[in-house]
Amino acid sequence: QVQLEESGPGLMQPSETLSLTCTVSGFSLTSNGVGWVRQPLGKGLVWMGTIWAGGSTNYNSAVQSRLSISRDTSKSQVFLKMNSLQPEDTGTYYCARHVGQLGDWGQGVMVTVSS
Amino acid sequence: DVVMTQTPVSLSVSLGGQVSISCRSSQSLVHNNGNTYLSWYLQKPGQSPQLLIYKVSNRFSGISDRFSGSGSGTDFTLKISRVEPDDLGVYYCGQGTQYPLTFGSGTKLEIK
Repeated sequence: QVQLEESGPGLMQPSETLSLTCTVSGFSLTSNGVGWVRQPLGKGLVWMGTIWAGGSTNYNSAVQSRLSISRDTSKSQVFLKMNSLQPEDTGTYYCARHVGQLGDWGQGVMVTVSS
Repeated sequence: DVVMTQTPVSLSVSLGGQVSISCRSSQSLVHNNGNTYLSWYLQKPGQSPQLLIYKVSNRFSGISDRFSGSGSGTDFTLKISRVEPDDLGVYYCGQGTQYPLTFGSGTKLEIK
């Protein structure tokens, strides 16, 4: 069955670079896109970007200058890197299979940016 | 960016009842390929969002037929019939027609 699992550090300092990993199973990254969505605590959903089956990417312009999404298909992993972190980047980060819509979601990883 | 406006912000319903949630987009969600990428998600307390409906009216795998979606262009509706306790949570509409993908601010469903 389709599964996605996010992993990464829970606490970051302002100005640091965040690195998250989404490990997937039950589907191929060469046939499906994977997107990242952030949810500030108690707030709504914000799409950050997607890496498509062919390896191309699309980013939300609000974070595009700080964000990079890549993958390792041999390990079934998708990576999110975001630099120059600020407290407003605090929230839960989800990865989700993206095929027209965000279908299957991971359980999310909480990231707190604080000094 | 396409703004998604959901109403109401919250609603309360009795078990077995029916509710409707409205979602309006600031621009037409009809893609150049003819598809309309409007989805509905449910986020249960303490859980990640789950896809209920995609492309306006298609139920995702394993989703009960108590959930139905309708609409076109810029106006969309999610209906939940025979409400059950497990239906409580926050419902979001989302569009995937234009970048960036955007979501409504959510509708909180409470059970009376």
